[in-house]
Amino acid sequence: SYELTQPPSVSVSPGQTARITCSGDALPKQSAYWYQQKPGQAPMLVIYKDTERPSGIPERFSGSSSGTTVTLTISGVQAEDEAAYYCQSADTSGTYPVVFGGGTKLTVL
Amino acid sequence: QLQLQGSGPGVVKPSETLSLTCSVSGGSISSSNYYWGWIRQSPGTGLEWIANIYYGGSKYYNPSLKSRVTISVDTSKNQFSLKLSSVTAADTAVYYCVRVPDPGGDPWYFDSWGQGTLVTVSS
Repeated sequence: SYELTQPPSVSVSPGQTARITCSGDALPKQSAYWYQQKPGQAPMLVIYKDTERPSGIPERFSGSSSGTTVTLTISGVQAEDEAAYYCQSADTSGTYPVVFGGGTKLTVL
Repeated sequence: QLQLQGSGPGVVKPSETLSLTCSVSGGSISSSNYYWGWIRQSPGTGLEWIANIYYGGSKYYNPSLKSRVTISVDTSKNQFSLKLSSVTAADTAVYYCVRVPDPGGDPWYFDSWGQGTLVTVSS
C-alpha cells in the first residue's frame, strides 16, 4: 500500500507560523491536497494542487512542495485555525488513486 | 450554493448491507466537470476513501473495499448511493458524500462535503 506520513501534532502560539508536513514517495510526481477538519464538522479543502487556494480560504494558508515532502503553512495563526489537518494524494501506479495522511492536530497555545 | 445531504439508517446489524443515499441540491449531478463519491471516518481516526462515480456510470473503488462496495447514481433524482455488504464493527464510521472535481490528470480531490452520516454496526 501507499502511505502519506504526517506528524501527529503541531503546536504554535497565536500570530506565529505553523508548518505541517506530509511525506510520500510519489509526491514529486503527484499533486497534494490539504483539508481542515474542526471537531464535529466535515473536512474542508484549504489547498489543492500543491499550492492553490480555493475561494474563501484566507491568504494565511499556503502550500508548497519539495521533493517527497509537501508543506501546509499557516502564517499568523489564529485561534480559529485550531483543527486537524489532513494531506491527500495518490500513488503513481494507479492502484491507490486516493490516499490520506494520518492527520495532524494543530494546537494554538 | 451546492449542498450534499446524506441519509440512511444509523444502525446496521453485523453481516447485513449498509445503504446510504446522497441528495445533491444547488447543482446538477449530471455536470461533466464533476464526479461524486463517498469517504468515511471511523471514530477518532483518519479518512478513508471508498468510491467515486461519474454521472455517465464510470465507477472507481478503493481496492481494500472493492469486493463489498457498490456505488450508483440516479440522475433523475439528482442522487447517488452507496451499498457496503457484509458489514462488521470495523465499518462503524461517519460516512461523507462528496463532490469530486475532474482533476484533469492530477489525483482526485474533494471540494464539497456533506455533513456526514454516523453509521453504527451493532446487533
